[in-house]
Amino acid sequence: NAGVTQTPKFQVLKTGQSMTLQCAQDMNHNSMYWYRQDPGMGLRLIYYSASEGTTDKGEVPNGYNVSRLNKREFSLRLESAAPSQTSVYFCASSAMGSGQPQHFGDGTRLSIL
Amino acid sequence: QQQVKQSPQSLIVQKGGIPIINCAYENTAFDYFPWYQQFPGKGPALLIAIRPDVSEKKEGRFTISFNKSAKQFSLHIMDSQPGDSATYFCAARWMDSSYKLIFGSGTRLLVRP
Repeated sequence: NAGVTQTPKFQVLKTGQSMTLQCAQDMNHNSMYWYRQDPGMGLRLIYYSASEGTTDKGEVPNGYNVSRLNKREFSLRLESAAPSQTSVYFCASSAMGSGQPQHFGDGTRLSIL
Repeated sequence: QQQVKQSPQSLIVQKGGIPIINCAYENTAFDYFPWYQQFPGKGPALLIAIRPDVSEKKEGRFTISFNKSAKQFSLHIMDSQPGDSATYFCAARWMDSSYKLIFGSGTRLLVRP
């Protein structure tokens, strides 16, 4: 099983460009998450989706949008990238009732110049 | 304001030693405390978790100790191995949510052979 797959693994953008980060899981999990990881700050939740068709804001949603396309896929979009959004982005998933993200992808390393 | 304070930032032990990573929290509205392990270039992986009504939980060589009155919890790694070298994150889950985790800032552990 692939688990949680994120694409792309690396990306460099210019300020103001837009981009969509893709995430797919093959574990039939209901819940999916997007986090960002910055040095010395742990992980911070951007958006969460409890199930197909539902999304909720996390700690740091400003500047991002998400789409839960179906049960497998959860995408994160930056409409107008800013240097402050330079980070490593992780997608995660969990089974219903688990209470926390269980499986993470390997991340997308995004640099915005 | 950091709601979950993790220490130390980095830790070096010899093989067979028992590294201890500490976390402290202020808010009593947390009801679940997971730990994650992250290897370089990979996403975090759920390692072990504890609820505040339990003072200790063991899974293999990993033990969580929980002190509810002091609002502190810690991770102990028994008989540490070089393969345990990774970054460890503690986290706390809000009682009113099934998904909002607050992460500590991480501890980089190096186990020397």
